[in-house]
Amino acid sequence: SQTIHQWPATLVQPVGSPLSLECTVEGTSNPNLYWYRQAAGRGLQLLFYSVGIGQISSEVPQNLSASRPQDRQFILSSKKLLLSDSGFYLCAWRGRLTEAFFGQGTRLTVV
Amino acid sequence: AQSVAQPEDQVNVAEGNPLTVKCTYSVSGNPYLFWYVQYPNRGLQFLLKYITGDNLVKGSYGFEAEFNKSQTSFHLKKPSALVSDSALYFCAVRDLGGSYIPTFGRGTSLIVHP
Repeated sequence: SQTIHQWPATLVQPVGSPLSLECTVEGTSNPNLYWYRQAAGRGLQLLFYSVGIGQISSEVPQNLSASRPQDRQFILSSKKLLLSDSGFYLCAWRGRLTEAFFGQGTRLTVV
Repeated sequence: AQSVAQPEDQVNVAEGNPLTVKCTYSVSGNPYLFWYVQYPNRGLQFLLKYITGDNLVKGSYGFEAEFNKSQTSFHLKKPSALVSDSALYFCAVRDLGGSYIPTFGRGTSLIVHP
């Protein structure tokens, strides 16, 4: 069966520090991968999606970037965090004709 | 273009009573429709989906949803609510012929009172 791993679960980082959140999927190949941010426990904002290795689409221009170095690995990064980057970050994957499955999320607090 | 609306920010229901969480959608083609549940500080969990076939879809934890093409709705229902059903519920839509990306509603907070 397919599983998705996202880590860390919580992270406290100072303003101006770098960020790297990692997401990996097991049990499937060539998944569509997504990074979302959820503010204030409500709506999901799509940040990036990827349909293949090295293929990244950005939905919202901002202080973040994403990379997909391997088929089942999706990384969210920042060179210098801002206070406004705080939030709950969710990774998700989807097969070709199926629903999306989400990781457990990372609570990022920038201080 | 695709969009989804959840008109209620919050739904309150007494334990044992039936519950409905509303969702309406808009797509240019045929829709894939989904419901997810989120507990505090956790990722979204898939509940059920409509792809094709029977308009009444049954999912996890006793939830079901009814696809209504004429009203472009996909309301989530449960015959008897439990306190443990209290959570944030998201409806999502994806155009079968189009986007790689599902569009999510803003979420509805369901509160089940003992």
